[in-house]
Amino acid sequence: QLQLQESGPGLVKPSETLSLTCAVSSGSIIDSDYYWGWIRQPPGKGLEWITNIYYSGSTYYNPSLNSRVTISMDTPKNQFSLRLRSVTAADTAVYYCARQRLSGTSAYYFESWGQGTLVTVSS
Amino acid sequence: QTVVTQDPSFSVSPGGTVTLTCGLSSGSVSTSHYPSWYQQAPGQAPRTLIYSTNFRSSGVPDRFSGSILGNKAALIITGAQADDESDYYCMLYVGSGISVFGGGTKLTVL
Repeated sequence: QLQLQESGPGLVKPSETLSLTCAVSSGSIIDSDYYWGWIRQPPGKGLEWITNIYYSGSTYYNPSLNSRVTISMDTPKNQFSLRLRSVTAADTAVYYCARQRLSGTSAYYFESWGQGTLVTVSS
Repeated sequence: QTVVTQDPSFSVSPGGTVTLTCGLSSGSVSTSHYPSWYQQAPGQAPRTLIYSTNFRSSGVPDRFSGSILGNKAALIITGAQADDESDYYCMLYVGSGISVFGGGTKLTVL
C-alpha cells in the first residue's frame, strides 16, 4: 500500500523559506496516472490545496500562493518537495502531501494522504 | 478566484439522514468538476469518502453516497452513527490542474 511521509523543520522564522519533503514508498512517483501534491490546514481552519506536480515535471499552483511556491521532484529518491518563500504567521499550518488520481472517469481526487506535519512560523 | 461553498455546520440525529452540499460562488457544480468528499476527525489526516461525484472509496460504508442535487454536489449520509461526527470537506477540480476545497462542514450527531 502506498505510503507518503512528510519531513522538514517544524519551526520557520518569518520571512524565511519553508521547505518540506514527501517520501513515497510502495509506489513510484514516475506514474502517468497521478499528480503529487501538497495541501495545508491552518489550526482550526479548512483544507487548502497548494500545488501539484506531474511525473513529466509539469507544475500547477494555487493562484493565491503562486508567487511564493515551488514544487519539485527527485525521481531517484522517489520524493517530491515544497518550498514556500517569505513566510508569515499565516503560513502556520499542518502540511499534507498526497497523491491525486488523474486517469479515467474517476479522477482528480486525492486518494492517498500523508499523516501531515505541523509547521509553525514564529521568531 | 473560484470559491467553493459549504454550510459551516449541520446536525443529525443518530439513525437519521443528512445531506451536505457543496456549491460554487458563481455557477453550478457538475460532474465535470469531479466532486470528491473527505472526512476528517480531529487530529487526523483527511480520509477519502467519495470521488467523481458518486464513487465510494475502498472501505467506505454504503451509507455514504454522493450525487449532484440541483446545482450542487451532495454527500448523503443515511443511518448516521456517532462516529460520523467529523468535519467534511468537498473538493472540486476546476481545470488546468487546479483543485479547490470548500470551507468544510462540521457535522454533529446528537
